[in-house]
Amino acid sequence: EPEVTQTPSHQVTQMGQEVILRCVPISNHLYFYWYRQILGQKVEFLVSFYNNEISEKSEIFDDQFSVERPDGSNFTLKIRSTKLEDSAMYFCASDGGVMNTEAFFGQGTRLTVV
Amino acid sequence: EDQVTQSPEALRLQEGESSSLNCSYTVSGLRGLFWYRQDPGKGPEFLFTLYSAGEEKEKERLKATLTKKESFLHITAPKPEDSATYLCAVPRGSSNTGKLIFGQGTTLQVKP
Repeated sequence: EPEVTQTPSHQVTQMGQEVILRCVPISNHLYFYWYRQILGQKVEFLVSFYNNEISEKSEIFDDQFSVERPDGSNFTLKIRSTKLEDSAMYFCASDGGVMNTEAFFGQGTRLTVV
Repeated sequence: EDQVTQSPEALRLQEGESSSLNCSYTVSGLRGLFWYRQDPGKGPEFLFTLYSAGEEKEKERLKATLTKKESFLHITAPKPEDSATYLCAVPRGSSNTGKLIFGQGTTLQVKP
């Protein structure tokens, strides 16, 4: 069964460092997303990406965040200068882009900023 | 503003003890309501999509129903392996259903 894969599963970084979280969406999907979940809180939308550009972003997704689809299979989230409050689970998701299709999520990357 | 509220926050059941989880939503122009299961430290796993009031969907011991204001996830004769957090979500925005607003979830524990 097709699935969304994310690497690494756990990333520990020093405050102020840059991190790149990687995702391989389901191959025939067209829309890609990043969500995050701070421990004990709701899953929050960060950004959506379609046709090689951002289609929507939340207020959380400020200038320290960026996304890229560097090739035909990978989708990345970069955090330029990490803060303690960036510690969270980050989930990548994808969907087929047809109205009313469900999004499939990866297993997440746990980011710990120390 | 689009909003999703789930209750209860936590639910403990004995194996075989049926119950229901609630998801109340406020959204302009519902384009679907999604149920996901989330195990600790894992990503949300898709369960159901409901599109219109009166619709019902079933999967094993789970049945999801939808009204104009809320959705219920009924769990019949649960087993310990049904223990997880159940998330409800609705799409936001105007063009694609992947941009979801999630509720805070109901954490279900089923004891043998």
